[in-house]
Amino acid sequence: GQSLEQPSEVTAVEGAIVQINCTYQTSGFYGLSWYQQHDGGAPTFLSYNALDGLEETGRFSSFLSRSDSYGYLLLQELQMKDSASYFCAVRDRETNAGKSTFGDGTTLTVKP
Amino acid sequence: GAGVSQSPSNKVTEKGKDVELRCDPISGHTALYWYRQSLGQGLEFLIYFQGNSAPDKSGLPSDRFSAERTGGSVSTLTIQRTQQEDSAVYLCASSTGGSAKNIQYFGAGTRLSVL
Repeated sequence: GQSLEQPSEVTAVEGAIVQINCTYQTSGFYGLSWYQQHDGGAPTFLSYNALDGLEETGRFSSFLSRSDSYGYLLLQELQMKDSASYFCAVRDRETNAGKSTFGDGTTLTVKP
Repeated sequence: GAGVSQSPSNKVTEKGKDVELRCDPISGHTALYWYRQSLGQGLEFLIYFQGNSAPDKSGLPSDRFSAERTGGSVSTLTIQRTQQEDSAVYLCASSTGGSAKNIQYFGAGTRLSVL
């Protein structure tokens, strides 16, 4: 099976940079995704890493190290609207590649 | 429609009653997922449909839970003899199912409250 670990809460100030880590255990890694969910809203896709390295999309970047079973989401120039929960998710080749397992989420609070 | 649509948005029911939750996926998406999210928690996988294949029901917590997908489109999640611990937000997602990213597009969810 799969398991993921991410911090439950992170707090940062507006304009700062924050990193949300995710470590995972799978029997056959396929890819790591990140989703954002505002309070009371639906999760929305942010980024996906299948290969080692950094993927950049505007203020958000995601990093993956397959050898360390580790990834992170980097949020730059934080804005108040970035306050939300962030979930990492993995797909596993050896179970059902169409299915993702989600972490418990990291609640990010951005303060003025 | 433009996105995944779920109904009802809120459902209050009495313990022991049956409930049906509906999901309309994005047109053309072959994969459909149901998740359960308790307050402040992560997404708990329930069931996954992919095209005409047999669904992956490995996440259903008990035999009180069932789901079907008719015509490869609309899906209904049924919870029989509801219990208070079933109270949660039930999220539906769909995806094209064919890309490596497998981006899942989520509906706004149905908030179920069992009294």
